[in-house]
Amino acid sequence: EVLLLQSGAEVKQPGESLKISCKGSGYSFSGYWIGWVRQMPGKGLEWMGIIYPDTSETRYTTSFQGQVTISTDKSINTAFLHWSSLKASDTAMYYCARVRGPQLKTNWFDPWGQGTLVSVSS
Amino acid sequence: QSVLTQPPSASGTPGQSVTISCSGSTSNIGSNTVNWYQQLPGTAPKLLIFSTDQRPSGVPDRFSGSKSGTSASLAISGLQSEDEADYYCAAWDDSLNCGVFGGGTKLTVL
Repeated sequence: EVLLLQSGAEVKQPGESLKISCKGSGYSFSGYWIGWVRQMPGKGLEWMGIIYPDTSETRYTTSFQGQVTISTDKSINTAFLHWSSLKASDTAMYYCARVRGPQLKTNWFDPWGQGTLVSVSS
Repeated sequence: QSVLTQPPSASGTPGQSVTISCSGSTSNIGSNTVNWYQQLPGTAPKLLIFSTDQRPSGVPDRFSGSKSGTSASLAISGLQSEDEADYYCAAWDDSLNCGVFGGGTKLTVL
């Protein structure tokens, strides 16, 4: 069974750094893009970016470029989402998901991780 | 403001059929396939339809997807109470060179 297991909820203060994780199992981790999706409280889904573990090729949406860093460690089948300086507006649920499809233009997310809740408050 | 436009809400009674629309442009829906995700309350999203009209294994055939031009639709027939959820469309956008989601539609089963 393909599973993505995310790290636990985090409570942080503004200005702090944070790295959350997403560990894949049940498939060849290096061979599939992994994506990150943000869902702010009571809001919809936002596509943040994707990474290809085998090469670390990364693509970000304009909104998230420079705001977060997506990385992977393929030796432990894990993808990461990193903030160097959190803001209150980063408070959200963050999901990772495996990218499927013959090419990025026809891709879809499946499966999804269970989500990591990040709360940023002073 | 989402790149793909969905109605914020939809509703129906058990047994009825309901359709949720997703409007885009030539750079996304008009050029690429569409996916739909179902998010039950308090849970992670789940893939419902991929490649515009394909159902993953385990998704009932009450759910179907279609596309015409720059718009896509998700149809649900034989509505059941457990279908009450948020539904999101998604597609790749060639101009933005990234994926985009619709704003989501909250389906209420009356």
